[in-house]
Formats: sequence, structure tokens, C-alpha cells
Amino acid sequence: GIQVEQSPPDLILQEGANSTLRCNFSDSVNNLQWFHQNPWGQLINLFYIPSGTKQNGRLSATTVATERYSLLYISSSQTTDSGVYFCAVLTGANNLFFGTGTRLTVIP
Amino acid sequence: EPEVTQTPSHQVTQMGQEVILRCVPISNHLYFYWYRQILGQKVEFLVSFYNNEISEKSEIFDDQFSVERPDGSNFTLKIRSTKLEDSAMYFCASSEKRGEPDNEQFFGPGTRLTVL
Repeated sequence: GIQVEQSPPDLILQEGANSTLRCNFSDSVNNLQWFHQNPWGQLINLFYIPSGTKQNGRLSATTVATERYSLLYISSSQTTDSGVYFCAVLTGANNLFFGTGTRLTVIP
Repeated sequence: EPEVTQTPSHQVTQMGQEVILRCVPISNHLYFYWYRQILGQKVEFLVSFYNNEISEKSEIFDDQFSVERPDGSNFTLKIRSTKLEDSAMYFCASSEKRGEPDNEQFFGPGTRLTVL
């Protein structure tokens, strides 16, 4: 099956710093989504981005489908950004395959 | 803004008991999904459902599991005889479309199932 790898697995940032999270996938995909899992376990939709670039406030994402990767940028990080960030890809089977996540800790 | 809701938020049960997890998908969505996440691990697909039948299911979704849309709003996951290894967070999701552009899946807040 498709492989979805995320890096880095863990990231610690000082509040106000910027970061880039990466998602590599092994096969062509129909959809790619980024999620933030907050400390209560909820999965929050960040981006639906099968290709191209999108921005939402301090967050932006870029997917280069032909090269099979996606990047999530977090600028001016805040403590509320802490949690686990997952990318998930959708193939012809129409179910999302999740990566193993990046655990982000933002310290004040 | 429309959202997927799930009840209960936390369910504790004894091994061997049946549990039913409930979800209300977004009202104009037609495709429904269940995923689970064992503590500390990634989210895994269980089953997808469309037009009152299962579309796809994973190897995890064995005979102990079943899904149902008993009325026009609820979507349920039943585990017939729970095992310790069923302890996990269970997420319901829904999407308006499937296999096309704009097939974004929206997730509920999850039900944390603890099997003792």
C-alpha cells in the first residue's frame, strides 16, 4: 500500500519561531489533507490541498503532486499551535491514509 | 459552520460487552467513514459507507464490527464483543463527494473507548 512519511517526528520551538513540516508519499494521490490534533485529541482540518499552495493566517501549505510531497509552514508560532500535525492522502480507494505525524511543542 | 458530532465523548466498557458509537455527519454529505487511533499511534481507516452499504473496509474491520445508518441523520459503529485491543479513539468523518475534486473529509471530535 501507499507509504506516507512525515518529518521531523518531533519538533520543539520557541514561541514566535517559524517551522516547516514535510510529508512524503509513495504514490500518486487524489487528495491530501493536513490536520492538527489538539491536546484533547480532536482532529482539526487545516488544509485540503491536492496540489498548489494555500494560506490561512499564519499557516500555509504547498503540495507538489508530481514530486510526491507536501509542506506545511507555521509562522510566528504560538503555544496553541502545540499538538500533532498529520498529513493524510487519499488514493483511488477513497479512504485516507495518515502519516505518523509530527509532534510540535511550542514553548513560551 | 456545519460540523460532524459524535456521542459519547468517552465510553468505558467491560471486555466482551457490546458498544455502539454514534455520529451525526454533516447534513448534505453522502459519504461516511469510521477511523480509529490507538493511543500514540497514527489514525487508521476502518470502513466507508455510502447509499446504505459498506463501500470499503480495512482488515481491522472484522466480523465484530458493523455499521448502520438507522435513520436520516445518525451513523453508528457497533462493536459486538469488545476486546482490550479495541481501546482507542474512534473518529467519524463525512464528505460531500468521493473520488472527485473537492472530496475533503471532515472529522468529528472522536469517542474515546476504554475496554477494561
